[in-house]
Amino acid sequence: KAGVTQTPRYLIKTRGQQVTLSCSPISGHRSVSWYQQTPGQGLQFLFEYFSETQRNKGNFPGRFSGRQFSNSRSEMNVSTLELGDSALYLCASSWTGTSSGANVLTFGAGSRLTVL
Amino acid sequence: DAKTTQPNSMESNEEEPVHLPCNHSTISGTDYIHWYRQLPSQGPEYVIHGLTSNVNNRMASLAIAEDRKSSTLILHRATLRDAAVYYCILNTGNQFYFGTGTSLTVIP
Repeated sequence: KAGVTQTPRYLIKTRGQQVTLSCSPISGHRSVSWYQQTPGQGLQFLFEYFSETQRNKGNFPGRFSGRQFSNSRSEMNVSTLELGDSALYLCASSWTGTSSGANVLTFGAGSRLTVL
Repeated sequence: DAKTTQPNSMESNEEEPVHLPCNHSTISGTDYIHWYRQLPSQGPEYVIHGLTSNVNNRMASLAIAEDRKSSTLILHRATLRDAAVYYCILNTGNQFYFGTGTSLTVIP
């Protein structure tokens, strides 16, 4: 079956612009989570969506937002881009809707954002 | 919010076993211990997970301490393709707390 698909794979923006990244989860997966990966901070959790509702949110400013559609596809948006937003943005999906138990994540290849 | 501690880097000779340690002293009773690895230019991939008992799968083994405050990922025979950053993670509900990971170098 198809894996997690993220688009675009690479993009370059300038400070002050906004960006929208897309994630298509594995068919049947209802949970989508987003992570930011930078050399200095490693992998940091942004937010997680399930059935179009944000269930968890990491410690990021309000410029970072997301949403999930009825087909489980998800988008994240970053407004008023800053140089420090340059990073690899990773999306992961999982099937489980339970709040406990072992959730196995399947990651996409990521969207690499460069802010100039 | 990282709740795990791992060595920054480790080296192993090819075809030898590798033991990757992880400390998670603040683990709660319902936290699962997961291991993922990330190869260059790829997203992380699932390796193994467990709750209390040791676990084995085709990729690796997971040894969990009796008090659950530490665990060890065991690669039985390291290959060059196992060179990656290995993350030990606690799964709390729907959140995964990634640490900084261990960069494994496999020496031919």
